[in-house]
Amino acid sequence: QQQVKQSPQSLIVQKGGISIINCAYENTAFDYFPWYQQFPGKGPALLIAIRPDVSEKKEGRFTISFNKSAKQFSLHIMDSQPGDSATYFCAATLSGNTPLVFGKGTRLSVIA
Amino acid sequence: GAVVSQHPSRVICKSGTSVKIECRSLDFQATTMFWYRQFPKQSLMLMATSNEGSKATYEQGVEKDKFLINHASLTLSTLTVTSAHPEDSSFYICSGLFGGNYGYTFGSGTRLTVV
Repeated sequence: QQQVKQSPQSLIVQKGGISIINCAYENTAFDYFPWYQQFPGKGPALLIAIRPDVSEKKEGRFTISFNKSAKQFSLHIMDSQPGDSATYFCAATLSGNTPLVFGKGTRLSVIA
Repeated sequence: GAVVSQHPSRVICKSGTSVKIECRSLDFQATTMFWYRQFPKQSLMLMATSNEGSKATYEQGVEKDKFLINHASLTLSTLTVTSAHPEDSSFYICSGLFGGNYGYTFGSGTRLTVV
């Protein structure tokens, strides 16, 4: 049973456009929702994270929107750049010291 | 910031041999280390959770006798793949907890190829 469902599987966006990746979760006990960026052959790097008591968080070009009632959260990348081309994973966890559960990932390609 | 140094980055070994992967927390004490495996174009799958000084907890389907995890100190955790076979070829990633809660810090990963 997949606890975090991520879509789309792949995404192609024009340079300067907005990239949107969505995740849905099932376990209402999750209390931390991070997004990670991974380049080929590298470990994942934290982009931005949110707790369920906040509906939106913005850091630079990256924004998380969180809808607790719908059990969904999304990542928006504004002004997408070719350097943003990578695989993005959403994740969730029950508490700060339990393992992260990852979505299946979205391969983003930003084309000029 | 917190850094987890993972070595080696790449390793090729012959079938039947053992390989050790090391993860060191450079500027923090990782009481907990998570080990993940990632197959090409797939997500990270949790293999085990290790706490310093105690036995690792393995996820269902992960052979504890094949994937030996040692977390003998607060700054070092190791994963040994014993009697490796080609199907063990994968990308292995460790993640240490920085600051106790929510401080998930990932290593750079190890690409294991078994030939």
